Amino acid sequence: EAGVTQFPSHSVIEKGQTVTLRCDPISGHDNLYWYRRVMGKEIKFLLHFVKESKQDESGMPNNRFLAERTGGTYSTLKVQPAELEDSGVYFCASSHLPYEQYFGPGTRLTVT
Amino acid sequence: QKEVEQNSGPLSVPEGAIASLNCTYSDRGSQSFFWYRQYSGKSPELIMSIYSNGDKEDGRFTAQLNKASQYVSLLIRDSQPSDSATYLCAVTGNTGTASKLTFGTGTRLQVTL
Repeated sequence: EAGVTQFPSHSVIEKGQTVTLRCDPISGHDNLYWYRRVMGKEIKFLLHFVKESKQDESGMPNNRFLAERTGGTYSTLKVQPAELEDSGVYFCASSHLPYEQYFGPGTRLTVT
Repeated sequence: QKEVEQNSGPLSVPEGAIASLNCTYSDRGSQSFFWYRQYSGKSPELIMSIYSNGDKEDGRFTAQLNKASQYVSLLIRDSQPSDSATYLCAVTGNTGTASKLTFGTGTRLQVTL
């Protein structure tokens, strides 16, 4: 069974630019989550999709972040415009039931 | 007070010994508890889940949960150098936040030869 995949693995952009991160969950997993780890801090929750619906977006830091999951399959997380403090590793996770979550390899975002 | 607290380590144990990793959490309504292993530069890998008080064993790993003390631990028996990694404790909240994982900062384990 293929795991969670994320693209790109690494992104370096300038402040003010736009970046879109993509996550493909494990096939058949209705639950999809985005998390972020800022350097030196713990992994923090951003939001949770059940199929194409946002179940919980309490962790989204501000309206510069937009997450979508059209068709209930893959998800994108867009940051527009990017700020320096957005740098970190963005993880996607998926689960069949809303408990045991399996993480993707992450996208390392560097905003310069 | 952090929601999930772990000693950052490093915790150093000799090969073949038992490694004991500890975690406390502040939300008494937390329902589900997980241990993830993360190698440097890699993604967190789920190794144990526990939902009720007591012990749960899986191979060399044992998770222990004490909800009254708001404490969860992970024991690794017969530690191997390949167990050297950062171990992340994660909990979910009560019904309203049952899916959201709250992580600790992790404990770095070093297994020495």
